[in-house]
Amino acid sequence: QKEVEQNSGPLSVPEGAIASLNCTYSDRGSQSFFWYRQYSGKSPELIMSIYSNGDKEDGRFTAQLNKASQYVSLLIRDSQPSDSATYLCAVNWSGGSNYKLTFGKGTLLTVNP
Amino acid sequence: DGGITQSPKYLFRKEGQNVTLSCEQNLNHDAMYWYRQDPGQGLRLIYYSQIVNDFQKGDIAEGYSVSREKKESFPLTVTSAQKNPTAFYLCASSTPRGGEGQPQHFGDGTRLSIL
Repeated sequence: QKEVEQNSGPLSVPEGAIASLNCTYSDRGSQSFFWYRQYSGKSPELIMSIYSNGDKEDGRFTAQLNKASQYVSLLIRDSQPSDSATYLCAVNWSGGSNYKLTFGKGTLLTVNP
Repeated sequence: DGGITQSPKYLFRKEGQNVTLSCEQNLNHDAMYWYRQDPGQGLRLIYYSQIVNDFQKGDIAEGYSVSREKKESFPLTVTSAQKNPTAFYLCASSTPRGGEGQPQHFGDGTRLSIL
């Protein structure tokens, strides 16, 4: 059973702080990892992709991947109220079709002004 | 603009009725997917298709059917056998690149409710 676990929320941070979102996965052979942002009532929007161990930065967002620990995280620096949303972690399957993604249940982030 | 178009945005189903949700993409993506999302839950895969005229069941295919007659289109039918159809339905697409899994891009979704 392919599983993706995200830290239970909700997570609340003050404006300007760093928000840290975590995700662990069970399939050791997984190669591709994605973070999506989903505003209430809207569809998920891709914000980060990461394929190699280490950090990947894009603006205020940093994705961190540690395949040995089967762990991927998303850091949001200088958090803004507009970052308030549910963040979904998604991981691809290593066996069979690499088209399929397994999604975590999401972590609700609230950034307080 | 390239993207994924889902219609309708809201849909109501009567008891015993089949309804069809439309999904069209102009991204030239090979693979398309249907997910169901319930309140406070993650995405659960209903069906997916990697190529025209071929599709596979996901984790919760019972009570649903799909077709993939064109690369651009992947309609989902919610049949009367699906006893709890009220949910947010999301269509997505992706394209392969080497051996890596690729991100999926989503349409705006269809909210289905029972009358």
